[in-house]
Amino acid sequence: DGGITQSPKYLFRKEGQNVTLSCEQNLNHDAMYWYRQDPGQGLRLIYYSQIVNDFQKGDIAEGYSVSREKKESFPLTVTSAQKNPTAFYLCASSDRLSGNYNEQFFGPGTRLTVL
Amino acid sequence: GNSVTQMEGPVTLSEEAFLTINCTYTATGYPSLFWYVQYPGEGLQLLLKATKADDKGSNKGFEATYRKETTSFHLEKGSVQVSDSAVYFCALLIKAAGNKLTFGGGTRVLVKP
Repeated sequence: DGGITQSPKYLFRKEGQNVTLSCEQNLNHDAMYWYRQDPGQGLRLIYYSQIVNDFQKGDIAEGYSVSREKKESFPLTVTSAQKNPTAFYLCASSDRLSGNYNEQFFGPGTRLTVL
Repeated sequence: GNSVTQMEGPVTLSEEAFLTINCTYTATGYPSLFWYVQYPGEGLQLLLKATKADDKGSNKGFEATYRKETTSFHLEKGSVQVSDSAVYFCALLIKAAGNKLTFGGGTRVLVKP
């Protein structure tokens, strides 16, 4: 089955640690995205990548880093510089060549808690 | 800039009631419009979409019509079920803006038996 997987589902981090969230897709999509969701709020874009080896900052990139070495993978690192990292993180992908709209498909999310 | 405003929840309904969730938008271009649904503890699923004015998106009994004159994309369902309890997000996308989705704040819907 094609889809997007995120791991782990739950992640606990001590203050001062960097952690990396995994996102993999087998949809052959060109573009991938990372969002952050806080309780009772909408999604905010952290980083996005429209092609391998290229990515751009979203609206709240500070304290995060990404890489896009392979088309199917877009890992997100939450660094110790991120002051309030506890949140639900969602990865998405889209096929930028499909039609005149580019709906995004979402993974199941990773819930990060800083202890 | 681009923004999406949707009614705040929670919206509490009885089973078989009519549901409306208002969504209005501001966009610097010609957007495609989406409704996503998020069930507890899960990611987002695309519920329906519309790509041009007067298009009606529909899925699972939900409908929304792209109204350019009122910049709105209200979600409706004629008879809700307990299984419709979720958070609903309205979103817009402008291709020229890097294919980035702009989301509303989400509306939590609780359907009671």
